[in-house]
Order: sequence, then C-alpha cells, then structure tokens
Amino acid sequence: AQTVTQSQPEMSVQEAETVTLSCTYDTSESDYYLFWYKQPPSRQMILVIRQEAYKQQNATENRFSVNFQKAAKSFSLKISDSQLGDAAMYFCAYRSDGATNKLIFGTGTLLAVQP
Amino acid sequence: NAGVTQTPKFQVLKTGQSMTLQCAQDMNHNSMYWYRQDPGMGLRLIYYSASEGTTDKGEVPNGYNVSRLNKREFSLRLESAAPSQTSVYFCASSRSSLTPNYGYTFGSGTRLTVV
Repeated sequence: AQTVTQSQPEMSVQEAETVTLSCTYDTSESDYYLFWYKQPPSRQMILVIRQEAYKQQNATENRFSVNFQKAAKSFSLKISDSQLGDAAMYFCAYRSDGATNKLIFGTGTLLAVQP
Repeated sequence: NAGVTQTPKFQVLKTGQSMTLQCAQDMNHNSMYWYRQDPGMGLRLIYYSASEGTTDKGEVPNGYNVSRLNKREFSLRLESAAPSQTSVYFCASSRSSLTPNYGYTFGSGTRLTVV
C-alpha cells in the first residue's frame, strides 16, 4: 500500500522569505500523481500544485514550485516570497494511475508566516 | 458554480444518536469520496463511490454507511454515534478514476462533535 510522510509538523517563515516543505512517499508503482493542498483556517481544501510522475520537469504555479525526485520518492514544495496569506496547513497527497486511484494524504505541515 | 456542497457545517450529537451528512456536487463528476480529518492524522478515507451505483470501503469505514443517491449526491450516515467519531468530515469529488491528474474538489467540511 502507498504511504505519504510529512516529517515536519510545523514550520515558520518570515514574510517575503522562502520556505520548503518536505514530503516523501512509498510506492511500487511507476505511474502516479502528486499534489499539494493548502488548508487555511477557513478549512477549505485548495489545490496548490500537481505533478505527474512521468514528467521530469518540476511543476510551477506562480510563487509555488516543487522539487520532484522520483528515484528518491521525494516531493517537496517551495514557497517563494512568502505572504501572510500563505499561513495554512499544507498536505501532500498521492494518487495512483490505477483503477482504484484514491487520494492518499500525509499528516500535514502547519506553516506560520511571521510579519 | 457551487462545486461541492456539504450540510450541515457544524453538528453536536449525543452518544448513540444517528445522523446523515449530505453532500452534493454540480460538476458532473463521476467519483465521490468521504474523508475524516483528525489532528496529526491528515485526511483518511472512509468510503468512496467510483461511479453512480457503486460504493466501496476506504481506510476507516467502521461505524459508517454511505449511499450514492444519484450522480450528484453522496451521503454519509452514522447509525450510532460514538465520541471516537468526533472529527471534521470532508466530501470530495473528481471527474473519474480515468482522470487522476485532476485531483479532487472538496466541500467546506462538517465539524462533528459527539458528546
């Protein structure tokens, strides 16, 4: 069974600085998809960025980018120029390419942004 | 475009009471899911419905039942609530198992407290 591990329960960053959130996963599959979700205090789950395992190029969405290391099974999220609105819980998630492809979540990293 | 709508947003139950959490999506998605979120444990899958007319157990199904009423609606029922079911519950939907790269769209969650 696939597992997703986020080893940093909490992180803190100064406004305008850069922070990297870590995520590792375990799978025997070769085709899959990885996601980062943001959950602000409003509780809403917001998709931040996605990565297809077959793509070597790292995904980027504005200030958010990933470092995808397939061999190491690592999928970290980098937030550049951090803003107060980035403060939230961030979840890493895995979804297989098979018929029963359910989203599997890590335990989350709570990010605080200091003014 | 409402997306995924969950009701109620908050609920307090007494031990042994029953209730149904409602979920509806208006995006013509085939697959729907119920997760629970507990501190330090991320989101765990309770039940899912890959398509209309089918339901399957997830990681933590004990104490719950589901009904895929039609393509739009997927309800979660607690027959006899227990304090261990105190949690935040999320409903989610996705286009289908054939498009795993799109991730999920989530509802805003239901905070359930069982006393």
